[in-house]
Amino acid sequence: AQTVTQSQPEMSVQEAETVTLSCTYDTSENNYYLFWYKQPPSRQMILVIRQEAYKQQNATENRFSVNFQKAAKSFSLKISDSQLGDTAMYFCAFMKHGGQGGSEKLVFGKGTKLTVNP
Amino acid sequence: DTGVSQDPRHKITKRGQNVTFRCDPISEHNRLYWYRQTLGQGPEFLTYFQNEAQLEKSRLLSDRFSAERPKGSFSTLEIQRTEQGDSAMYLCASSPILGRRRYNEQFFGPGTRLTVL
Repeated sequence: AQTVTQSQPEMSVQEAETVTLSCTYDTSENNYYLFWYKQPPSRQMILVIRQEAYKQQNATENRFSVNFQKAAKSFSLKISDSQLGDTAMYFCAFMKHGGQGGSEKLVFGKGTKLTVNP
Repeated sequence: DTGVSQDPRHKITKRGQNVTFRCDPISEHNRLYWYRQTLGQGPEFLTYFQNEAQLEKSRLLSDRFSAERPKGSFSTLEIQRTEQGDSAMYLCASSPILGRRRYNEQFFGPGTRLTVL
């Protein structure tokens, strides 16, 4: 079974600064995806960024980038130029690639509550 | 709005009552997932449908829980004889099937928050 661990329950950052959220995972699978999801207060979960395990290059999406260390099973999220709208719960998640027939259920960590201060 | 919708958004019930939640996925999404999120935790997988077939159920899904997806469109999740431990946010997500080598993103609904008194 896969597990995802987020060791930082809460973090805060000043507006315009950079913050890094940590995530480690455990799996024996070789073909999988990793994600960071954002859940703003009282709003629905949205995908921030994803990483395919077979790709060595770290994914980037505008101000969001990841540091994927496959051997160490580490997957951190860096948010640059933090904005007030980045305040949210951030969840790291794992998905085994299931192909067309298999379930691609997400396995989530417990989340990190990020507060961006003005 | 063409996103995933869930109804109701909030439900308060007394212990022992039955409740039913509905999820309407994005049109033409073959896959539908239910997750449960308790306070301070990440979402946990409950069950998964591909079209109308329920293909996987978590051990979290006790015999008091039942889910259906008639005709492969909307889905319902029913909890019978609710217990206080059932209090949680119930999330629904849907995804397309784009092909074996392609990533099938899950789109989440706003959730149904259940409070069992």
